[in-house]
Amino acid sequence: QSVLTQPPSASGTPGQRVTISCSGSSSNIGRNAVNWYQQLPGTAPRLLIYSDIQRPSGVPDRFSGSKSGTSASLAISGLQSEDEADYHCAAWDDSLHGPVFGGGTKLTVL
Amino acid sequence: QVQLVQSGAEVKNPGASVRVSCKASGYTFTAYFLHWVRQAPGQGLEWMGVINPSGGGTTYAQKFQGRVTMTTDTSTSTVYMEVSSLRSDDTAVYYCARRSQSSGTYYFDYWGQGTLVTVSS
Repeated sequence: QSVLTQPPSASGTPGQRVTISCSGSSSNIGRNAVNWYQQLPGTAPRLLIYSDIQRPSGVPDRFSGSKSGTSASLAISGLQSEDEADYHCAAWDDSLHGPVFGGGTKLTVL
Repeated sequence: QVQLVQSGAEVKNPGASVRVSCKASGYTFTAYFLHWVRQAPGQGLEWMGVINPSGGGTTYAQKFQGRVTMTTDTSTSTVYMEVSSLRSDDTAVYYCARRSQSSGTYYFDYWGQGTLVTVSS
């Protein structure tokens, strides 16, 4: 059981906009920044969004993050076939004294 | 360029121990904490603990305390993680990840390629 809650799956057609949610609590998302990681099939996770809304260099601006209260969201606009991957949210948890993750959302591009 | 290169896949019997290595290059090894995260088949990511390569200080997730040991070798820029008393549910891909920070927030900006550990009799 993951500390953060994500939907197990999401889907969209090329060009569409999809959002993936991540729900936590006051000890993690409510107090600390949220990061998002993209994991292509058979590869290691890659940093996609950090500090709730920041994109590392090289990440297209089609990817955006937001946060409100104890929930966060990842939005992908102009969906492309290469976006098909697992997406994981993460945040520091003050009660557990370490980072916690969501269970991951598998994005399918139809 | 920053690289974290991990050791190869392992197959272990239940009750045995395994040691996984993570060799860093392309940056000042002692300037960044290194974390270990695992992913069981078809599951999400699970944080195991962190080591400060400068001095070797560690913090382990409560779930793994007493069963995990992380060490560092600054002469080779390598960190190691040993898991003892292996069980079948320890079968997973184990990743090392570098922690960076920006404006007081932390995130994992580089990851190793992962090491598959299979526990089976």
